[in-house]
Amino acid sequence: KAGVTQTPRYLIKTRGQQVTLSCSPISGHRSVSWYQQTPGQGLQFLFEYFSETQRNKGNFPGRFSGRQFSNSRSEMNVSTLELGDSALYLCASSTGLAGASTDTQYFGPGTRLTVL
Amino acid sequence: AQKVTQAQTEISVVEKEDVTLDCVYETRDTTYYLFWYKQPPSGELVFLIRRNSFDEQNEISGRYSWNFQKSTSSFNFTITASQVVDSAVYFCALSKGNNQGGKLIFGQGTELSVKP
Repeated sequence: KAGVTQTPRYLIKTRGQQVTLSCSPISGHRSVSWYQQTPGQGLQFLFEYFSETQRNKGNFPGRFSGRQFSNSRSEMNVSTLELGDSALYLCASSTGLAGASTDTQYFGPGTRLTVL
Repeated sequence: AQKVTQAQTEISVVEKEDVTLDCVYETRDTTYYLFWYKQPPSGELVFLIRRNSFDEQNEISGRYSWNFQKSTSSFNFTITASQVVDSAVYFCALSKGNNQGGKLIFGQGTELSVKP
């Protein structure tokens, strides 16, 4: 099976712009979670989508939003970029099914966003 | 609140040495899951192991072994006969008992450097 893919891998934006990141989960996985990784804050959970609905949300401002399509692909959007949004954004996919013994999150390679 | 602590920020060993990475967690849930991930310089988080709170059996996989002790809220990871390819940042993570994908709480990571 192909793994989790993320595009683009690298992105450079300026303050005030907005950005959209894309994530394609492993085939058959219905849950996609997004994480932000920075040197200062480490790995932090942004949100999770399952069957096109946001099921969990972390403590990030409303500038961070996401959506999931019927084919389970997900996009994350950050509006009005700030310098502090520079980070590695990782998405992970899992089956998302309650009680599934194999419900582990598998991560993509990440998108490295630099805000100038 | 849930929390994961990896007190060792950096560890440096010489090839063939054994090394143990410590992980201490806090949770009020009676059912929860613990994970270890490896992050090589490429950035992708690679899944290593998943344990649930009801299974305290230690696990061995090749040169890797894990010691889960609920009494001390620890889930330590040992690499036997370390190799240069083991150099990476290792993360311990905790999730809620429903484990429907979703939110992983990560420790700050331990950077392991294995020198030839």
